[in-house]
Amino acid sequence: DAKTTQPPSMDCAEGRAANLPCNHSTISGNEYVYWYRQIHSQGPQYIIHGLKNNETNEMASLIITEDRKSSTLILPHATLRDTAVYYCIVRVRNTGFQKLVFGTGTRLLVSP
Amino acid sequence: NAGVTQTPKFRILKIGQSMTLQCAQDMNHNYMYWYRQDPGMGLKLIYYSVGAGITDKGEVPNGYNVSRSTTEDFPLRLELAAPSQTSVYFCASSYWMTSVMNRSTDTQYFGPGTRLTVL
Repeated sequence: DAKTTQPPSMDCAEGRAANLPCNHSTISGNEYVYWYRQIHSQGPQYIIHGLKNNETNEMASLIITEDRKSSTLILPHATLRDTAVYYCIVRVRNTGFQKLVFGTGTRLLVSP
Repeated sequence: NAGVTQTPKFRILKIGQSMTLQCAQDMNHNYMYWYRQDPGMGLKLIYYSVGAGITDKGEVPNGYNVSRSTTEDFPLRLELAAPSQTSVYFCASSYWMTSVMNRSTDTQYFGPGTRLTVL
């Protein structure tokens, strides 16, 4: 699986959009970008995933560049409860065994 | 649904003791996983199972054993606890069936974790 690079930390004001970048310059054509988050000491929580098109769900939006070498997770209206570590993971989908390689992620702090 | 449950929440062991971390899921998922997370680090896969009776090693299996006698349960056994096994342990599950790929959630659901300290 391709490696990812994320900034170690980011700050965001409550109510503003949080834009979390991820670099995955060695991504292969059949690899998807996944985002999980981990709120203090809890188990990781799935947020969203995509291949090459932009994706949106009730939690967030995922913007993937045309060359697929980077992506951005967008939390449109960040709340204090969005304070967490966000992990960007690249992996091949359509395989039974899903090994998730968690890096150190981005620690997002949402402040009042 | 309770999702993925883990017991105990916390445990302190002495070096050389043994224990079993329990994990159960009620979502009828066929895949189950055990991860450990050391302070400030990402998760590392210890063992996984693709169905009842089938288990395989992950990245860091040494010092651990697993079994999967039912679809619901996936216990993790520590035989001779060592300080290096001090960590937070997470169990996860997912659904995958190659013949019905469109139904696969392709998402891992995690339990709340067990915080283990070995002194």
